[in-house]
Amino acid sequence: NAGVTQTPKFRVLKTGQSMTLLCAQDMNHEYMYWYRQDPGMGLRLIHYSVGEGTTAKGEVPDGYNVSRLKKQNFLLGLESAAPSQTSVYFCASSYSGPLEQYFGPGTRLTVT
Amino acid sequence: RKEVEQDPGPFNVPEGATVAFNCTYSNSASQSFFWYRQDCRKEPKLLMSVYSSGNEDGRFTAQLNRASQYISLLIRDSKLSDSATYLCVAYTNAGKSTFGDGTTLTVKP
Repeated sequence: NAGVTQTPKFRVLKTGQSMTLLCAQDMNHEYMYWYRQDPGMGLRLIHYSVGEGTTAKGEVPDGYNVSRLKKQNFLLGLESAAPSQTSVYFCASSYSGPLEQYFGPGTRLTVT
Repeated sequence: RKEVEQDPGPFNVPEGATVAFNCTYSNSASQSFFWYRQDCRKEPKLLMSVYSSGNEDGRFTAQLNRASQYISLLIRDSKLSDSATYLCVAYTNAGKSTFGDGTTLTVKP
């Protein structure tokens, strides 16, 4: 069981470039989440999904898009990266909504 | 005002001390609550669930007060290994989660 994995682990982008972060889980969890964490702050919810084919906006969705075409994968896209999107991005999954979330190791993204 | 607010900290305590963290939430639709522990530059990991009846796990006790909309975490007999950032989170039944900004604890010898 790999749990929750994230790809890539590190990335440096230039302003205006695009990229996709991949989150994969092998626990057959229904719910998946994308968060960002800035220095000295907690986790802020970007988007989440309550099942395959569904997505919903979180607290800070602007500048990001997501897709959940397969139950085990949740993709986070940045269409035109900005320096304000420099952050650590965590993906998480849970069996259902208000239950324990299992987190991936994070992706450290720098936008210059 | 943030939906979930935590004691700003940092808390610096000696080994063996008892320390308590509070977390308030403003969304009355919040149904489930948890405490997570996060070590520096690592992913958060579940510490414990929070119930109205209280939840105890060894040296850790979590409590929920729905009337006042706050949750608490008590750590007794602090160990050096308890040094970390502690995050509270509130979930609605729709699955939306809101984390606090975290409270940093440093336990010193």
